[in-house]
Amino acid sequence: DGGITQSPKYLFRKEGQNVTLSCEQNLNHDAMYWYRQDPGQGLRLIYYSQIVNDFQKGDIAEGYSVSREKKESFPLTVTSAQKNPTAFYLCASRDPAGTGDSPLHFGNGTRLTVT
Amino acid sequence: QKEVEQNSGPLSVPEGAIASLNCTYSDRGSQSFFWYRQYSGKSPELIMSIYSNGDKEDGRFTAQLNKASQYVSLLIRDSQPSDSATYLCAVKDTGRRALTFGSGTRLQVQP
Repeated sequence: DGGITQSPKYLFRKEGQNVTLSCEQNLNHDAMYWYRQDPGQGLRLIYYSQIVNDFQKGDIAEGYSVSREKKESFPLTVTSAQKNPTAFYLCASRDPAGTGDSPLHFGNGTRLTVT
Repeated sequence: QKEVEQNSGPLSVPEGAIASLNCTYSDRGSQSFFWYRQYSGKSPELIMSIYSNGDKEDGRFTAQLNKASQYVSLLIRDSQPSDSATYLCAVKDTGRRALTFGSGTRLQVQP
């Protein structure tokens, strides 16, 4: 079955450590996205990528980094510079070639807790 | 920064009633709009997309769009307890290929 896999589901880290969240998709989608969700809040865009080897900052990119070396993979690194990293992180993809503006398809998310 | 506004709720309706969820957006050039449902602790799942003014129906769900008023809504007919969730409105940004989300409206359907 096609889908988006995020791992791990839960992640615990000590303050000051960098951590990388994995996102893999086998939907053959060109575009991939990272969003962050805080309790009781909507989704905020961190980074997005329309094509391999290219990515753009979203609304809250500070303290995060990404890479897009393969079409199916878009890992997110939460660096020690991110002041409040504890959150629910969602990876998504879409097919820009679809009819109209195609919707986002989401992975199951990674819940990161930093203490 | 472009904004999408939703009433946070909770919106409480009895089972079998119509639930009406509303959303306004600031980007006048936006052309594509989406409603997602999110259960607690889970990722969002797409309910409906709408691109043209007017109504779009899919089963018990109807999305309504008024671009002149920058307003989009979701009606849920015959509400069921299983519809209890947070409903997120999302708008496709002009100028970048990404969605901006509202903060969501929490719906509670009382049995």
